[in-house]
Formats: sequence, structure tokens, C-alpha cells
Amino acid sequence: EIVLTQSPGTLSLSPGESATLSCRASQSVGSRYLAWYQQKPGQAPRLVIYGASSRAAGIPDKFSGSGSGTDFTLTVNRLEPEDSAVYYCHQYGNSPFTFGPGTKVDI
Amino acid sequence: QAQLVQSGAEVKKPGASVKVSCKASGYTFNRNGLNWVRQAPGQGLEWMGWISVYNGNTQYIQKVQDRVTMTRDISANTVYMELRSLRSDDTAVYFCAASGGSTGGAFDVWGQGTMVTVSS
Repeated sequence: EIVLTQSPGTLSLSPGESATLSCRASQSVGSRYLAWYQQKPGQAPRLVIYGASSRAAGIPDKFSGSGSGTDFTLTVNRLEPEDSAVYYCHQYGNSPFTFGPGTKVDI
Repeated sequence: QAQLVQSGAEVKKPGASVKVSCKASGYTFNRNGLNWVRQAPGQGLEWMGWISVYNGNTQYIQKVQDRVTMTRDISANTVYMELRSLRSDDTAVYFCAASGGSTGGAFDVWGQGTMVTVSS
């Protein structure tokens, strides 16, 4: 099983700043099979990035993803209060599919 | 617009079973896989398994494989997840999520979630 580790656990930032979230895998994932989701309280997760760097439909270009192998990054620019959420990375290339523990972003 | 609508909240006693439904609309149902993900209160996301809507093949995580069954009814555009021998640590929100579309396997459509509470 591939274990995903996310850092930091919590990120407190001000509007207009940028957030850099890290996801590290216990073994190589392959860039095609790494996704990021945004989850707000009481809501289902929402796909933000798939294939490590492709934005999902309707996601603004202030969200960007990068990385390959075992190290991946989600960057959120020009932070707004509505970006406050927990962000999860997810690998879907090797079964069992797994999620990271999440990074909480407070704006 | 692609959408998944799940059945309502359930309260069950330990040892009972629960069956949660997930109805799809707005996309070609049998092209995709349907995944089940659960989230215990205040916790992260746990993938439970997957069913191919096309041929009914399933894959479950070892933790629940002896207690879970995922099925589909193509005529009703609906997938079901049954969990048996419920325990208190099965208390969670259960989400269905579609994969296999243009996002290459990422979970791009999610149901609203079904709260399952296991309590005596």
C-alpha cells in the first residue's frame, strides 16, 4: 500500500498570499495518477487537480499542481477566504487507492 | 451535468447491515467506475473499494472485504454499497465517487454523502 504524507498539517495565511502544499508518497506513484481535492466543512470533496498537474473542470488557474515520482506540490495563488478548506492528495494508480491525511488551509 | 445522488442518513445497531444507494445522472453511466469513500467524524478520507459499472467487477480493501458488497443496477443507473456486521467504528459519512471519465481515473463526480451512525 502506498502511504501518502502531507505537510504542513495546517497553514494559516492572509488574503492575497500564496499557499504551497506538499504530498510525499512512500513509493513512486507516477505523475498520471496523483490528484488533489478540496473539501469544505459539510461538503463532499471536489476534484481540483488530476494527473499531478491538470486542472479539473471549472477550477481557476490560481490552482496549480506539479511533481512526479514521490514528491508532489499543490500551489494556490492569490488566496481568498473561500479557499479555506482541507486539501487532500490522492493516488489512484496502485490498488488500494489511498489518500493523504490532509492539509488544512485557513485564510 | 453529471450528478450522483445518494440515499438518506441511517442509524443502525451494532451487528446490523446497511445498504446505501448512489444514483447517477447526466453522464454515460456504464462507462465509469464507481468508488466508495468513507470519512469518520473529524477524520480523513478512506477508499473502501470500487465497482466497474460496465461488467460488475469489484475490488475492496482488505479491512472490509469480508463485510462489504458493491453492486449495480444498470437499468436504474444506480450503484449500491452494503456493509454488514456493523461496528461503532463504521460510523462515518459514506461517499460514492465516479472515476474513469476524462480525468483518467481521478474521482471527478461525488455524491453528497450518506451519514451512517452505528450505535446501541
